[in-house]
Amino acid sequence: EIVMTQSPATLSVSPGERATLSCRASQSVSTNLAWYQQRPGQAPRLLIYAASTRATGIPARFSGSGSETEFTLTISSLQSEDSALYYCQQYTIRPPLTFGGGTKVEIK
Amino acid sequence: EVQLLESGGGLVQPGGSLRLSCAASGFTFSSYAMTWVRQAPGRGLQWVSTISHSGGSTYYADSVKGRFTISRDNSKNTLYVQMNSLRAEDTALYYCAKDLLVWGSDWFFDVWGRGTLVTVSS
Repeated sequence: EIVMTQSPATLSVSPGERATLSCRASQSVSTNLAWYQQRPGQAPRLLIYAASTRATGIPARFSGSGSETEFTLTISSLQSEDSALYYCQQYTIRPPLTFGGGTKVEIK
Repeated sequence: EVQLLESGGGLVQPGGSLRLSCAASGFTFSSYAMTWVRQAPGRGLQWVSTISHSGGSTYYADSVKGRFTISRDNSKNTLYVQMNSLRAEDTALYYCAKDLLVWGSDWFFDVWGRGTLVTVSS
């Protein structure tokens, strides 16, 4: 099973500033990595897949990068509505499909 | 509008059974693999089970293998999971989710339902 580790657990960022979230895989997942946003009380929403491809309707301030075992989700200019939990997920070796533990982004 | 609507959750005693349903609309259900993902209260996301678009292939997390059965009825645009021998650790919000890519089984998800809550407690 591939273990996904996200850091930091919580990130506090001022509006308009950049937020950088990290995700590490216990072994290579190539670029088979997705990012999801989960706002309080809502279902997850797909942000990024294939490590760097934005899903339909996702604002350009969200970008993904990385390959193999190291990945980054960047929110270039944080908006109030970006306050949420963010999860990474690998889909290269499955089953099992595995998610990271999440990073909580707070607005400072 | 593409939509998934789960139902069937509730309170069940340990050892009991439940069947969850997920009604799909707004897309060609039979063309997409479907998945159940759960989230225990205050916890992260956990993959439960996936079924191919035809229903011919199914996959399970070790924690539910032998107890849960995923199935689908493409004529009714509905996904199911039969959950038997339920345990306290199965308590969670259960989401159904749709693969992004048609025909394939890519296992990342562009549409999610709102979830149905399963509570296993005596």
